[in-house]
Parts: sequence; structure tokens; C-alpha cells
Amino acid sequence: GNSVTQMEGPVTLSEEAFLTINCTYTATGYPSLFWYVQYPGEGLQLLLKATKADDKGSNKGFEATYRKETTSFHLEKGSVQVSDSAVYFCALSVAQAGTALIFGKGTTLSVSS
Amino acid sequence: GAVVSQHPSWVICKSGTSVKIECRSLDFQATTMFWYRQFPKQSLMLMATSNEGSKATYEQGVEKDKFLINHASLTLSTLTVTSAHPEDSSFYICSARDSGTPSYEQYFGPGTRLTVT
Repeated sequence: GNSVTQMEGPVTLSEEAFLTINCTYTATGYPSLFWYVQYPGEGLQLLLKATKADDKGSNKGFEATYRKETTSFHLEKGSVQVSDSAVYFCALSVAQAGTALIFGKGTTLSVSS
Repeated sequence: GAVVSQHPSWVICKSGTSVKIECRSLDFQATTMFWYRQFPKQSLMLMATSNEGSKATYEQGVEKDKFLINHASLTLSTLTVTSAHPEDSSFYICSARDSGTPSYEQYFGPGTRLTVT
């Protein structure tokens, strides 16, 4: 079946540190891949996405590259800020439009100044 | 663009009562909306897929008679938690897919926190 596996958290970093949150997936066909962010007490916001192999999604300094050979979509940021503290979810959507997203369990990031 | 609202943002109700949560796509039409449930510090669990003009499709283990979903228009889906109990307390999040684009992207509402006392 289709599934997403994220690295266990929480991840605790100092401001300006480099961030990597690992995400791997299992899917039939060619899924679209997403990273969502959830700030405390809020809903999910799309952070970035990639719809085909080798695509790189980027937004607000975050990047992730769709790697078909390793079935991965790792999230990276070169220099985190305190305001990046949130829960990050990796997700996939299978080929048919209208199907629900499949989420990983989420990774909590805590950045201290 | 692509804004989804939920109402109410939080609600407290007594055990045995029913609560209705609304999900609206404000600037696009959505033939398909999704309802998720999130427990503290956990991921989102898909409850059901709501299709405009037809019955919702529920995930395994979700009681359709308890969680009533109605998608009466292209911009509104409602989730009614009937005879609520404390174990129904949770964060309910809806999402909507823009029917006018081929993208598989979903837009999420801000969530509704339900507390049953």
C-alpha cells in the first residue's frame, strides 16, 4: 500500500543551524509529494511540493527534492529561525486527483535562540 | 486565493449533544472535501471523503452514523458529531481540492477543536 515514513522527533536545533528532516515513501505509480507545516494551534499550511521525479520544491528557505531512486523527499533548510518551530508533515497523493493525502506521523522542530 | 475556512474554531459541548462543524472553500469550488481528525501530537487521520451531491465515503473504523457528513454545495461541507462523548474530543481539520485545477494539492482549513465534557 501507500505510506509515508518520517524521522522521529522532536528535533531540537539552535538558531542558524542546518535542518534535515528525512521522509521516505512507498507508493504505487508516481505520487505527488508534499511538505506541510503546522504551527501551534493552527491548521496545516502547504510548505512545498514536487509532482515528478527530480523536481525540487522550495519555499521560505526550505527545499526538498523528489528522489525516485531512493523514494525520498527530505526537507532541508540551511539556517533555521526560531519562527520555524512547528510540526512538519510529509505527505503524498497518488495519481488520481481527488484522492486524500497520506501523511507521515509528523516531526516536531524546536528552534532556540 | 485558495482559502478554506472552518467554523467554529473551537467548541465545548456536553456529552450526549450533537455538534456541527462547517468547512467552506471561500474562493474556489470544491467537488471533493476531506475530513481529518488529529489527536494531540499525532498525525492526521483521514475520516471520510466528502463528495458534492453524493454520499460521503468513510474510512474503515469510522462510524458513519456518528459522524454525519453533508456536502450540499460546491463550497460547503459539514461534519456533525452526533451524541458526542469525551472520546470524540479532538482537533478536526477539513481540506478541499480546487475542482478548477488539475493539481492534486489540497487546501486546509484552520481546524476545529472539539471538547466534550
